[in-house]
Amino acid sequence: DAGVTQSPTHLIKTRGQQVTLRCSPISGHKSVSWYQQVLGQGPQFIFQYYEKEERGRGNFPDRFSARQFPNYSSELNVNALLLGDSALYLCASSRTGHSDQPQHFGDGTRLSIL
Amino acid sequence: ILNVEQSPQSLHVQEGDSTNFTCSFPSSNFYALHWYRWETAKSPEALFVMTLNGDEKKKGRISATLNTKEGYSYLYIKGSQPEDSATYLCALFNQAGTALIFGKGTTLSVSS
Repeated sequence: DAGVTQSPTHLIKTRGQQVTLRCSPISGHKSVSWYQQVLGQGPQFIFQYYEKEERGRGNFPDRFSARQFPNYSSELNVNALLLGDSALYLCASSRTGHSDQPQHFGDGTRLSIL
Repeated sequence: ILNVEQSPQSLHVQEGDSTNFTCSFPSSNFYALHWYRWETAKSPEALFVMTLNGDEKKKGRISATLNTKEGYSYLYIKGSQPEDSATYLCALFNQAGTALIFGKGTTLSVSS
């Protein structure tokens, strides 16, 4: 079975632009979470979605938004990009998102803001 | 704010050495603790999910213990190999049960 897939792999944007990152979960997984990882830090939680509903939101500004589609894939949108948004964005899926289930991560999207 | 602390920040050992890392967390309102291994140029890989005080889990040469009453978990690697070189991340679920809160990780380097 295919693992979690993310696209694109790398992306370069300039300040003020908007970006959309995509994630396809493992087949059968209905929960998708998004994380931001900057050098020297652990991944920081952005959103969790389950069955197309937002289940949790981390401490990120409203410029960050996400959605989940009927096929359980997900998009993360970031508007009005800032230099500080440069990071690795990770997507993870699990069957239901419950705490007793491991999360399966994709390879991430490396976003660079110029 | 849930704070997950990992120590040491980095570690360098020789092939064959055994080693261990620590993950510390607030002992109240515990849901579950996860350990992940993150190798360079790969995605984080789940090692263990631990939910009960006293839990002990093992996967090959790697094992983990959990003490929720005092708020810590240990990860042990027996007979380290160069392929064990990676960053080991500890994460706890928040009180709402909706988000994994990660520590900064322990980066292990094993020399042959």
